[in-house]
Amino acid sequence: GEDVEQSLFLSVREGDSSVINCTYTDSSSTYLYWYKQEPGAGLQLLTYIFSNMDMKQDQRLTVLLNKKDKHLSLRIADTQTGDSAIYFCAGANNAGNMLTFGGGTRLMVKP
Amino acid sequence: ETGVTQSPTHLIKTRGQQVTLRCSSQSGHNTVSWYQQALGQGPQFIFQYYREEENGRGNFPPRFSGLQFPNYSSELNVNALELDDSALYLCASSLGDRGTPLHFGNGTRLTVT
Repeated sequence: GEDVEQSLFLSVREGDSSVINCTYTDSSSTYLYWYKQEPGAGLQLLTYIFSNMDMKQDQRLTVLLNKKDKHLSLRIADTQTGDSAIYFCAGANNAGNMLTFGGGTRLMVKP
Repeated sequence: ETGVTQSPTHLIKTRGQQVTLRCSSQSGHNTVSWYQQALGQGPQFIFQYYREEENGRGNFPPRFSGLQFPNYSSELNVNALELDDSALYLCASSLGDRGTPLHFGNGTRLTVT
């Protein structure tokens, strides 16, 4: 089955850009997602990209997809303390009925 | 627009007991998926229901079962609880049998002692 890997931890200063990286194994993944989880809460959908796209921008968020390297990244511009959370990338299977999640990257934003 | 709601928010059970978790899908969504998130890990797919039928299942034993009702709400039942079942159980709703993107509720925190 699909394997999704993320680095565990990222620390940035407020106002800097954050880049969270993710690698996946299943090249047939149709959609790739980024979710945010704050302490004690569920998952908040941030953005997603279809597998035939290279880039998607949504306000402060930029998603880059390198299909050749099976690498996905999420860039957060002008990172704020409210962005501190765990970020999960996930790939949808070909049937579209299942997401495989990475282990999450904890983003800490220092004032 | 009402989001995904789950009940209860927290639950403590004893090993061997049975538990039922409930989920109301976001308005307009007809697909419900359940995920288990152990502490410090990413969510793991349990199963998905579309039009009251199971539409895919992850690597979970048969003591994990579910239902979807005509109003698209759903239940997750777990029999013979084990200590390792302690986790956050997340429900997500979406539209269609290729139902993505998923919109998640805040989860039910289950503790098995």
